Amino acid sequence: DSGVTQTPKHLITATGQRVTLRCSPRSGDLSVYWYQQSLDQGLQFLIQYYNGEERAKGNILERFSAQQFPDLHSELNLSSLELGDSALYFCASSEGPQNTEAFFGQGTRLTVV
Amino acid sequence: GNSVTQMEGPVTLSEEAFLTINCTYTATGYPSLFWYVQYPGEGLQLLLKATKADDKGSNKGFEATYRKETTSFHLEKGSVQVSDSAVYFCALSASWGKLQFGAGTQVVVTP
Repeated sequence: DSGVTQTPKHLITATGQRVTLRCSPRSGDLSVYWYQQSLDQGLQFLIQYYNGEERAKGNILERFSAQQFPDLHSELNLSSLELGDSALYFCASSEGPQNTEAFFGQGTRLTVV
Repeated sequence: GNSVTQMEGPVTLSEEAFLTINCTYTATGYPSLFWYVQYPGEGLQLLLKATKADDKGSNKGFEATYRKETTSFHLEKGSVQVSDSAVYFCALSASWGKLQFGAGTQVVVTP
């Protein structure tokens, strides 16, 4: 158990809908990262938050947004969903803003039908 | 930009065989290098890491040495077990903590 909790584990939704994925980092970790894992693109970095502030942005679509709350949990919002958004979404956390060791959650598998 | 290239799988081995998974990288500056492992249905687990040139990371019988001259970080294990069957990802971190992953290499170990 990495200590990073993601909910839900599975999500099935229709095209055009909006979903929210939730992540609770390990106790004491201030950084949260979101990654997307798909068969065609592999593991892609989406976004990083550190202590409530956006720190780095990767290949995140404009339809996607994230935030980190004062209690340090984070949410990834995906809207106007398309079939191609079907993927495994991972959250990871680390102690500081620069990753020396990141701990991953078990992921949320999103299926868009 | 930064990138990680690792050998394609699947790699199929018999138990107790020697495992090597090649990984090379392109990066500006001095990245940290990692190997992560993903077991079926699970998230990624950090296997080992190296933060500077010539560092050797090791864990659970796996080793990898950070070679700046060849920009490589090959993963090795002397004697694999069936329980080592998983997907292995090489990754680098060059700025602000984000990880850049390779495509992953599936390893299948047969009894």
